Amino acid sequence: EVQLLESGGGLVQPGGSLRLSCAASGFTFSTYAMSWVRQAPGKGLEWVSSIGVSGGSTNYADSVKGRFTMSRDNSKNTLYLQMNSLRAEDTAVYHCARQTSTYNFDSWGQGALVTVSS
Amino acid sequence: EIVLTQSPATLSLSPGERATLSCRASQSVSSYLAWYQQKPGQAPRLLIYDTSNRATGIPARFSGSGSGTDFTLTISSLEPEDFAVYYCQKRDNWPLTFGGGTKVEIK
Repeated sequence: EVQLLESGGGLVQPGGSLRLSCAASGFTFSTYAMSWVRQAPGKGLEWVSSIGVSGGSTNYADSVKGRFTMSRDNSKNTLYLQMNSLRAEDTAVYHCARQTSTYNFDSWGQGALVTVSS
Repeated sequence: EIVLTQSPATLSLSPGERATLSCRASQSVSSYLAWYQQKPGQAPRLLIYDTSNRATGIPARFSGSGSGTDFTLTISSLEPEDFAVYYCQKRDNWPLTFGGGTKVEIK
C-alpha cells in the first residue's frame, strides 16, 4: 500500500522558514516524480512544485518561485520542501503527492498544516 | 497562464440523480484534463485522467468527456458517497493548474 506521511508543519512568523518532509513507502520511490500541492483553509487546491525522479529537474508555481526549494533523497525515500520568506498567504495544508507519467497525482498524503502568522 | 473555471460552484442533487460538472480552460489544453474528488478531511482522489480514462478502482458511473477548452465530468447516478468537492486539473504544460472546484451537495 502506498503511504505518504508529511511532517514539519507548524506556526511560523512572516518572513520565517520551515522545512517539510514527506516519507514515502509502499512503492519504488526513486522511479516516481513527486509533487507538493497545497490547500488554504476552506479553499481549493493549488499545485506548488514538482521534482523529477533523480531530483535534477524541478518546477515551481510563480507564487513560490525563488522562495521555496523542493528536493528529494532517494536513499531515504523522502521528499522535502524548504520554504523561506514565508507570507500569510502561504498558510495552507501542504500535501505531498505521487505524480504519474501523465502528470497527475494518484496518491496523496494527509498533509501538514503550515500557519504563517505573527 | 491557462485558467480553469469550474461550474457550477455548487450542485444540489438527490441520490440517484445524474450530475454534470463543467470545467472550462481559458486556452486549449488538448485532452490533458483530469478530475479529482475530495471529501471533507480527506486528501483528494484521482478519478479521471486525460479527459476520459478512469483511474484504478474508480466506478463506471464516473465518466469524462470533452476536448480543447470544454470538459465534463458526469456521474450517472449519484451514490451517497459521491457527495463531495470535485476539481479539474490540466497537465498540458507547467504550471499544473487546478480549477476552483464544484461542490456536489445533497438536495
